Amino acid sequence: NAGVMQNPRHLVRRRGQEARLRCSPMKGHSHVYWYRQLPEEGLKFMVYLQKENIIDESGMPKERFSAEFPKEGPSILRIQQVVRGDSAAYFCASSPLPELSNQPQHFGDGTRLSIL
Amino acid sequence: QQPVQSPQAVILREGEDAVINCSSSKALYSVHWYRQKHGEAPVFLMILLKGGEQKGHEKISASFNEKKQQSSLYLTASQLSYSGTYFCGTAGANNLFFGTGTRLTVIP
Repeated sequence: NAGVMQNPRHLVRRRGQEARLRCSPMKGHSHVYWYRQLPEEGLKFMVYLQKENIIDESGMPKERFSAEFPKEGPSILRIQQVVRGDSAAYFCASSPLPELSNQPQHFGDGTRLSIL
Repeated sequence: QQPVQSPQAVILREGEDAVINCSSSKALYSVHWYRQKHGEAPVFLMILLKGGEQKGHEKISASFNEKKQQSSLYLTASQLSYSGTYFCGTAGANNLFFGTGTRLTVIP
């Protein structure tokens, strides 16, 4: 029973390039959450998606960042024209139901993004 | 809405006990606890629900006091494998708000 799968594990980009991070949720989970973690800090919420819908993107920077969760395939977090400050670990989590008060989120191993 | 954890860091010898606290300025309905080892994904430990319920996971247990808007994680007879950063999380409408983290180091 595969867990949350993220790829790539490590991604290096030069300033100005695009970064695409992928997340396949656990089987049976249709709710996906993206978090960003800077070194020595906690996880900061970015966006919550269900299949084909963005439910809450209140944590996403207004520019350069976008996310999708198509009907078929993984969820994608896309960062255009990357800058040094985008360097971080990006984690994806999934859950089977939207109510977070009484069920855990299951995290993937993350993508470590480094900007040269 | 980010909860505050204390202490920020703690060093224990194997077999010693520790308490990690998580406080929120907002009303709490549930508290999640996760452990993250360096370079790895956060791993779910337990959820505490409103009602002062205490839960356990091996020798790790937690309590939840909704009146004080805080939760405490208790690690007893610590093992080397307990080392990592512990995060509490409080549920918002569509996401978890994670605390600042407590780095726990267990030494032989």
